[in-house]
Amino acid sequence: LAKTTQPISMDSYEGQEVNITCSHNNIATNDYITWYQQFPSQGPRFIIQGYKTKVTNEVASLFIPADRKSSTLSLPRVSLSDTAVYYCLVGDTDSNASKIIFGSGTRLSIQP
Amino acid sequence: NAGVTQTPKFQVLKTGQSMTLQCAQDMNHNSMYWYRQDPGMGLRLIYYSASEGTTDKGEVPNGYNVSRLNKREFSLRLESAAPSQTSVYFCASRAPPDYNSPLHFGNGTRLTVT
Repeated sequence: LAKTTQPISMDSYEGQEVNITCSHNNIATNDYITWYQQFPSQGPRFIIQGYKTKVTNEVASLFIPADRKSSTLSLPRVSLSDTAVYYCLVGDTDSNASKIIFGSGTRLSIQP
Repeated sequence: NAGVTQTPKFQVLKTGQSMTLQCAQDMNHNSMYWYRQDPGMGLRLIYYSASEGTTDKGEVPNGYNVSRLNKREFSLRLESAAPSQTSVYFCASRAPPDYNSPLHFGNGTRLTVT
């Protein structure tokens, strides 16, 4: 299993761009990088996934350097509603139903 | 589609009581998972199931049993509840091909053991 490390918490203000970096030094060749968002009292929800370079959707962008040992989730122009916990996960390659382990995530707090 | 449905939403048990948490998905997913989340903490994997009839232990399986009776349903049973099992329990499923497919979560069951 590729272990991930991300900051425990981050603070920002409305309208700012927020970048959350995750390191995964032992990522395997076939592993994708997946980010989830969790609001209080809700289950996590998938926000973005990528393998290399850059992926963008309506919610976020994901930047992955060539060595793939880290990734950065970028949230453009955050609002109060982006206050949540963000989890970075790296896929396990050895089975159909991966033993999917979550880390502690990054608690993002957005202030007015 | 309802997605992943968990019942009940809330439950209070006394120490030593038993109960079963129910989870059903209507997305024809193969893999299903049970996690627990203690206040202010991340999710910890209890058990998972790759397909109907198969189950495997996760990080914290002690005190729990699971049943995958069919493709739709994956239940979690507490045989003798303890205060340490007070937590929010989340069920999740995953679409085929399971490798690298994202998880879909239910809204959780909030369990208090007194």
